Amino acid sequence: GAVVSQHPSRVICKSGTSVKIECRSLDFQATTMFWYRQFPKQSLMLMATSNEGSKATYEQGVEKDKFLINHASLTLSTLTVTSAHPEDSSFYICSAVASGADNEQFFGPGTRLTVL
Amino acid sequence: GEDVEQSLFLSVREGDSSVINCTYTDSSSTYLYWYKQEPGAGLQLLTYIFSNMDMKQDQRLTVLLNKKDKHLSLRIADTQTGDSAIYFCAERAPALIFGKGTTLSVSS
Repeated sequence: GAVVSQHPSRVICKSGTSVKIECRSLDFQATTMFWYRQFPKQSLMLMATSNEGSKATYEQGVEKDKFLINHASLTLSTLTVTSAHPEDSSFYICSAVASGADNEQFFGPGTRLTVL
Repeated sequence: GEDVEQSLFLSVREGDSSVINCTYTDSSSTYLYWYKQEPGAGLQLLTYIFSNMDMKQDQRLTVLLNKKDKHLSLRIADTQTGDSAIYFCAERAPALIFGKGTTLSVSS
């Protein structure tokens, strides 16, 4: 099946710093990628929809200036958590929809962010 | 808005069948999905069902869909300890809307 990678898998940073998380589709092109956030023992919450070559669409309550999304190519989307705070600590998961096949999303393995 | 509901916990003995239930609200969802998440890991797509189907079987997994009641279930036959995980049902509207997940605990 299609593979989606995320980098890094884990990151620990100090409060106030920015962290960039990469999401790559390894063997297919993805015009649409989604970014989700998962708190411990809770479900995934959609943060934003990332479309290649255009601005991301953010869900209600998600600050676009804090969570910067760039989808510069058909295989890469990045999420940058700016001026991170401890409450941003979470598990961030991306998914990618293969171009021309919108019935399945392929998920990355997730990135565990811990802000001290 | 869209909403997906699941029971939070299920405990079974090894070898028994597990049935995880889910209700959803968006009747326009074309596909409904079941995902598995093991501790500290991402999501693994287990199976999905097209909305015009009532049932789909895939080895030990059976998905039942009652579109009238907007009810989806996942049956795992001969449940093994390796099946212990969190199971999420999801509907597509258009991004996936997930339930809170059902934690399946399998005892030997």
